[in-house]
Amino acid sequence: QSVLTQPPSASGTPGQRVTISCSGSSSNIGSNTVNWYQQLPGTAPKLLIYSNNQRPSGVPDRFSGSKSGTSASLAISGLQSEDEADYYCAAWDDSLNGHVVFGGGTKLTVL
Amino acid sequence: EVQLVESGGGLVQPGGSLRLSCAASGFTFSSYDMHWVRQATGKGLEWVSAIGTAGDTYYPGSVKGRFTISRENAKNSLYLQMNSLRAGDTAVYYCARGSSGDEHAFDIWGQGTMVTVSS
Repeated sequence: QSVLTQPPSASGTPGQRVTISCSGSSSNIGSNTVNWYQQLPGTAPKLLIYSNNQRPSGVPDRFSGSKSGTSASLAISGLQSEDEADYYCAAWDDSLNGHVVFGGGTKLTVL
Repeated sequence: EVQLVESGGGLVQPGGSLRLSCAASGFTFSSYDMHWVRQATGKGLEWVSAIGTAGDTYYPGSVKGRFTISRENAKNSLYLQMNSLRAGDTAVYYCARGSSGDEHAFDIWGQGTMVTVSS
């Protein structure tokens, strides 16, 4: 059972906009920034969004992040077949002397 | 090229020990926090440990007291000493660099090394 809650799956057709939610609590998302990772099949995770809504260099602006209260969202616009991957949210949690917590991951399927 | 390369994974019996290494290149290793993250087959990501630039260390409860993270800046290397291993520790172990933009974001990842705990 992951500390951050994500839907296990999401889907969309090419060109569509999809969103993936991430729900936490006051000790993690409510008081710290949220980061998002993309993991393509058989590869290591890649940082997609940091500090709630910042994109690392090289990440297309089709990807965007937002945070409100104890929840966060990742939005992907202009969906492409190569976006089919697992997506994870993560945040620092202030409880138990502090630790990083992840969501359980959302498998995005491009139909 | 900025790169992290893990090594040291393998098969170990329950109760045994293993030491993972991570070789960094292409950046000033000593200036970054470093982390270990693991992923069991078909499962999600789990943060395992972190070490700051000053050598301060952090662990989740699941590995505290059994795992020790360390770094050797002169060798651009990160380590994870794993003792009292359990079947539940079986996973791919990734080393990751803490981002300068957000200390708790991991902006560079290695390819991972597989650890299997089984008799």
